Amino acid sequence: EVQLVQSGAEVRKPGESLKISCKGFGYIFASYWIGWVRQTPGKGLEWMGNIYPGDSDTRYSPSSQGQVTISVDRSTDTAYLQWSSLKASDSAIYYCARGRGYRDYWGQGTLVTVSA
Amino acid sequence: EIVLTQSPGPLSLSPGERATLSCRASQSVTSDYLAWYQQRPGQAPRLLIYSASSRATGIPDRFTGSGSGTDFTLTISRLEPEDFAVYYCQQYGSSPQTFGPGTRVEFK
Repeated sequence: EVQLVQSGAEVRKPGESLKISCKGFGYIFASYWIGWVRQTPGKGLEWMGNIYPGDSDTRYSPSSQGQVTISVDRSTDTAYLQWSSLKASDSAIYYCARGRGYRDYWGQGTLVTVSA
Repeated sequence: EIVLTQSPGPLSLSPGERATLSCRASQSVTSDYLAWYQQRPGQAPRLLIYSASSRATGIPDRFTGSGSGTDFTLTISRLEPEDFAVYYCQQYGSSPQTFGPGTRVEFK
C-alpha cells in the first residue's frame, strides 16, 4: 500500500528554522516526483514545489523560490521542506503528495504554527 | 499564472441528488491537464479525476469529469452521505500549477 507519512505538528517563533519530513512507503520512492502543497484558510491550496528523488531535480513555484528549500534523502525514502527563517505568514498545513502534476497520494499533513 | 474560479459556492443538496460543480480557468488549460480533489474535514485532499475526465484508481463511477479548454465540470450523479465535502480543481498544464478556491457541497 502506498503511503506518505509526514512528521508531526510544529510550533516555532518568527525567525526560527524548521525542517519537516515526508517518508514514502509501498512504492519505488526514487521513481515518482514528490510535491509540497500548503493550505491556509485565507489562500486555500498552494503548490510550493516538486522534487524528483531519482536525481534531486527540484522545481519551485515563484512564490516559494528563495523562501524554502526542498530536498530528499534517497537512503531513507524521505523528502524534506525547510525554512531558515520562519515568518508568521508561514503558518499553515503542509502536505506532501506524489506526482509532478496531479497528485495521487497525499501525506496526512503537518501543521506548522509560527507565533511569537 | 492561471486563475481558477469555482462555482457555485456552497452547494446545498440532499443525498441521492445530482451535484454539478464548475471550474473555469482564466486561460486555456494546456492539454486539459485538470484534476479534481475531494477534501473531507480534517483530511488530506483525495484525487478523484485527472486529465479532465479520467477517474483515479478506486473512485466510484458516480464521479464524472468533463470539459476542455477553460470550462470544466465535475458531476456527482447521486450524492452519498460521504460525498458532502469540499471539492477543488487544479490545473497542472502550466507552471505554476494552481488550485481553485473550492466548492463546498453541504447537506440541505
